[in-house]
Amino acid sequence: ELKVEQNPLFLSMQEGKNYTIYCNYSTTSDRLYWYRQDPGKSLESLFVLLSNGAVKQEGRLMASLDTKARLSTLHITAAVHDLSATYFCAVEGDTGNQFYFGTGTSLTVIP
Amino acid sequence: DSGVTQTPKHLITATGQRVTLRCSPRSGDLSVYWYQQSLDQGLQFLIQYYNGEERAKGNILERFSAQQFPDLHSELNLSSLELGDSALYFCASSPAGQFSPLHFGNGTRLTVT
Repeated sequence: ELKVEQNPLFLSMQEGKNYTIYCNYSTTSDRLYWYRQDPGKSLESLFVLLSNGAVKQEGRLMASLDTKARLSTLHITAAVHDLSATYFCAVEGDTGNQFYFGTGTSLTVIP
Repeated sequence: DSGVTQTPKHLITATGQRVTLRCSPRSGDLSVYWYQQSLDQGLQFLIQYYNGEERAKGNILERFSAQQFPDLHSELNLSSLELGDSALYFCASSPAGQFSPLHFGNGTRLTVT
């Protein structure tokens, strides 16, 4: 079964700092997605990465994909409190019929 | 608003009972996915339907079943409920074909007492 691992699981950072969340997966898939979930809420799609070397940016978040290393990163620049949430990466299986989610990274930005 | 509608929002029931969760996908989306989210198991894929047919099965218990109807709405049936079934159940939809993110509903929070 395809495995998706995220680290760290918990991240507490100060406002204004930079940090990176890592997502490792065990398949050769080149389709990776990042989602955000606020406590008790639904998951919201952030980024869709569909090829090796893909980079997407939205505000203070930037996601990248290295399919050879089977690694995606979510970089946070100059964190603000509003970014506090849980972030999930998900890998699409070969048949497109399953999305395998990572364990999630719970981010808390401290003023 | 993702366009995916789930009902009910909350459900409290007793062990041994049976419940039905309902999901209406985004307009035009043919695929429906069901996920279970609990604190200790994370986000677990249960089952996927595409245009009325089952396409993929994940960690779905035999006590659980689902179906997708001709109007594309889907129902997840949970029976002989146990305390451990308490979780947030999400439905997600996507259009036909690959390379599209899932769009999640707001979930149904099930509490089994």
